[in-house]
Amino acid sequence: GENVEQHPSTLSVQEGDSAVIKCTYSDSASNYFPWYKQELGKGPQLIIDIRSNVGEKKDQRIAVTLNKTAKHFSLHITETQPEDSAVYFCAATRFINDMRFGAGTRLTVKP
Amino acid sequence: EAEVAQSPRYKITEKSQAVAFWCDPISGHATLYWYRQILGQGPELLVQFQDESVVDDSQLPKDRFSAERLKGVDSTLKIQPAELGDSAMYLCASSPQGPGPYEQYFGPGTRLTVT
Repeated sequence: GENVEQHPSTLSVQEGDSAVIKCTYSDSASNYFPWYKQELGKGPQLIIDIRSNVGEKKDQRIAVTLNKTAKHFSLHITETQPEDSAVYFCAATRFINDMRFGAGTRLTVKP
Repeated sequence: EAEVAQSPRYKITEKSQAVAFWCDPISGHATLYWYRQILGQGPELLVQFQDESVVDDSQLPKDRFSAERLKGVDSTLKIQPAELGDSAMYLCASSPQGPGPYEQYFGPGTRLTVT
């Protein structure tokens, strides 16, 4: 089955700096890669996603890149703000939506 | 904005007792998922429904866990008997019908503590 690895497990940045979180996946049939933000005591919230026919997608301060050949994808957050502090999860899935999640990255943005 | 509803938000139960969680997906979403999230880890799929039918329950510990979605709308996940290792967040998610994959939208979760 699919195996998703996520790095780093913790990340601390100064407000205004950029943050990058990386994930690798094992199943070449995976074709949908969402990123979720989870705040304490809440369910994961979808923040951006990318499909395998696209190499990059951007939404304001958030961008995701996908390298299908290397089987890795990354989340980029620019101009970080304290409210970006949360746990971020990457995931990978195939057409039947059997989503597999990474272990998560705890991002701390220091004011 | 439509949301996935879950109840209760928190549940404390003693070992060997029965416990049940309820989920109401976003209206019109045919696919419903139950996940278990252990503290410090990503969610792990327990069971996936397409309408009222189970699509995947390969990771559901069937000796103690059961899930149903009788009318293809809301769903109940039950644990009987609960064990200490079941302490976790139980998340419900839903997604639209059709050839996937689609975005999955999560509810707030039920935090279970087994004592």
